[in-house]
Amino acid sequence: QKEVEQDPGPLSVPEGAIVSLNCTYSNSAFQYFMWYRQYSRKGPELLMYTYSSGNKEDGRFTAQVDKSSKYISLFIRDSQPSDSATYLCAMRANTGGFKTIFGAGTRLFVKA
Amino acid sequence: GAVVSQHPSWVICKSGTSVKIECRSLDFQATTMFWYRQFPKQSLMLMATSNEGSKATYEQGVEKDKFLINHASLTLSTLTVTSAHPEDSSFYICSARVLWDSNQPQHFGDGTRLSIL
Repeated sequence: QKEVEQDPGPLSVPEGAIVSLNCTYSNSAFQYFMWYRQYSRKGPELLMYTYSSGNKEDGRFTAQVDKSSKYISLFIRDSQPSDSATYLCAMRANTGGFKTIFGAGTRLFVKA
Repeated sequence: GAVVSQHPSWVICKSGTSVKIECRSLDFQATTMFWYRQFPKQSLMLMATSNEGSKATYEQGVEKDKFLINHASLTLSTLTVTSAHPEDSSFYICSARVLWDSNQPQHFGDGTRLSIL
């Protein structure tokens, strides 16, 4: 079993839809949770960064962390064609050399 | 803030040559930089962790003599692919973390496409 599981998709939605992206994990020591967006042939761009459980909102993006279920989500409201990219979840414990574990990435297509 | 610059963005070279890739943190200092490799439609694979002023820590299966890493300053790390062969062709990405807070996330460069003919 991988430490972080993420459905690779692809996920295709119409413009304006609410997108839900998810990851599950097995290591209860993870404390820091990130979402990155990666466009084709570019490096990942940090979108959201949260510590422990709870919600965090930034514009059209909302990140949720449920540590009891070992489940994290990223919601994108009013999705735009420019949101079409691969979304990587990532997480890290507070110990153990701070190694960040990445999900496989979900490919999202937003159709105009 | 937290901008990481990677150069070159794309390089094509002949088999047997060595290629150097630079990773710079432009507006912050980073004691730790990371080097990743990414194949098409796959996630990031950590190759090594680069620490300023000390030897890099390589992940299992990564040849340290093949992928030479130098982290000579708080803003620059380099990856040299020595005697490159076609199987080394890939997308190489570096990332860095802010010096003053090890709890901060990594920030990534835009990657280097390496094509070995």
